[in-house]
Amino acid sequence: EIVMTQSPATLSVSPGERATLSCRASQSISIKLAWYQQKPGQAPRLLIYHASTRAPGIPARFSGSGSGTGFTLTISSLQSEDFAVYYCQQYNDWPLRTFGQGTKVEIK
Amino acid sequence: QAQLVESGGGLVKPGGSLRLSCAASGFILGDHDMYWIRQTLGKGLEWIAYINYSGLTTYYAASVKGRLTISRDNAKNSLFLQMNRVKDDDTAVYFCAREGPPGGFDSWGQGTLVTVSS
Repeated sequence: EIVMTQSPATLSVSPGERATLSCRASQSISIKLAWYQQKPGQAPRLLIYHASTRAPGIPARFSGSGSGTGFTLTISSLQSEDFAVYYCQQYNDWPLRTFGQGTKVEIK
Repeated sequence: QAQLVESGGGLVKPGGSLRLSCAASGFILGDHDMYWIRQTLGKGLEWIAYINYSGLTTYYAASVKGRLTISRDNAKNSLFLQMNRVKDDDTAVYFCAREGPPGGFDSWGQGTLVTVSS
């Protein structure tokens, strides 16, 4: 099973600042990586797939990068609605999809 | 617009059974592979069951294999999860999710809470 590790566990950021979240895979997954945003009481929402492609309707302030084992999600200028938990997920290993443990982005 | 709605969660005793349903609308369920994913505070998001578009291929996480069964009725646009011999560790919010063709789960239900307790 491919293990996904996210860092940091919690990120404290002021509105308008940039947030950078990391995700590492235990083995190469090419670009088969997705990012999700989850708010309390809601299901996760797909933000990014193929490591860097924004899902429909996702604002341009969200961007993804990386390949192989190291990936980054960047939120260029945090808005109030962006404070949430973010998860990465690999889909290179079929059908054993695995998620990271999440990074909580909180208001500083 | 694709929509998934789960139902069937609730309180169940250890060793008991429960059947979760997921109703799809806004798209043709039979065109997509589907998953059940659960979320707990301790283990985060965990995929537990997969079924291909036709229903002929299924896979299960080791933690649930032999106890949970995924199935689908494409004619009724519905997905199911039969939970047997449930354990305390099965306490979680259960989501059905659609895997998009490029990758990633592009549509999720709102989740249904299953609590296993005596």
